[in-house]
Amino acid sequence: AQSVTQLDSQVPVFEEAPVELRCNYSSSVSVYLFWYVQYPNQGLQLLLKYLSGSTLVKGINGFEAEFNKSQTSFHLRKPSVHISDTAEYFCAVIYSGAGSYQLTFGKGTKLSVIP
Amino acid sequence: GAVVSQHPSWVICKSGTSVKIECRSLDFQATTMFWYRQFPKQSLMLMATSNEGSKATYEQGVEKDKFLINHASLTLSTLTVTSAHPEDSSFYICSALDRGQYEQYFGPGTRLTVT
Repeated sequence: AQSVTQLDSQVPVFEEAPVELRCNYSSSVSVYLFWYVQYPNQGLQLLLKYLSGSTLVKGINGFEAEFNKSQTSFHLRKPSVHISDTAEYFCAVIYSGAGSYQLTFGKGTKLSVIP
Repeated sequence: GAVVSQHPSWVICKSGTSVKIECRSLDFQATTMFWYRQFPKQSLMLMATSNEGSKATYEQGVEKDKFLINHASLTLSTLTVTSAHPEDSSFYICSALDRGQYEQYFGPGTRLTVT
């Protein structure tokens, strides 16, 4: 079965410090990669996605992620975090093959930004 | 962006009764819809993948006879929680997949409370 691993369940970081949230997935020929954010008491919101093309993807709120096929990773980064970035972040992968699509979510990483 | 609606947004039911939740894609056709469950302060859990015109694919540990999914049209999928019990109380979220963009659009969620 395909899998998505978010290695850190919780990440505390000081305000204005850089952050990296890690995501690894099962190797597969066709994958489409996403990062979602869920702020407290709100629904999921798409941060960014990788479908094809440039492996460095820029999203909203200053976040970016890099698709690394050889390491089967799609880590999310931000050079300087704000208090408002405190939220839960989910990595998701759509595996595509033979006309079928399988979606798998990681278990999420809670980012806590400390003033 | 595309819009996905859910109805009802909140439902309270008695133990032993069944509840149906609707998920509609309002401005695009979704051959694939997903159903999630989220417990308070916990991560999103994918319950099943619903493909139009075929049986849903359930994730491991999800009882298919308890959570009946029907995807009879390209814009509507329903989740029926049969013989609900208090432990079924949760936040149920659907999403619809735009295959052209490999992007999911999420509904606002349905809060189910079983008394």
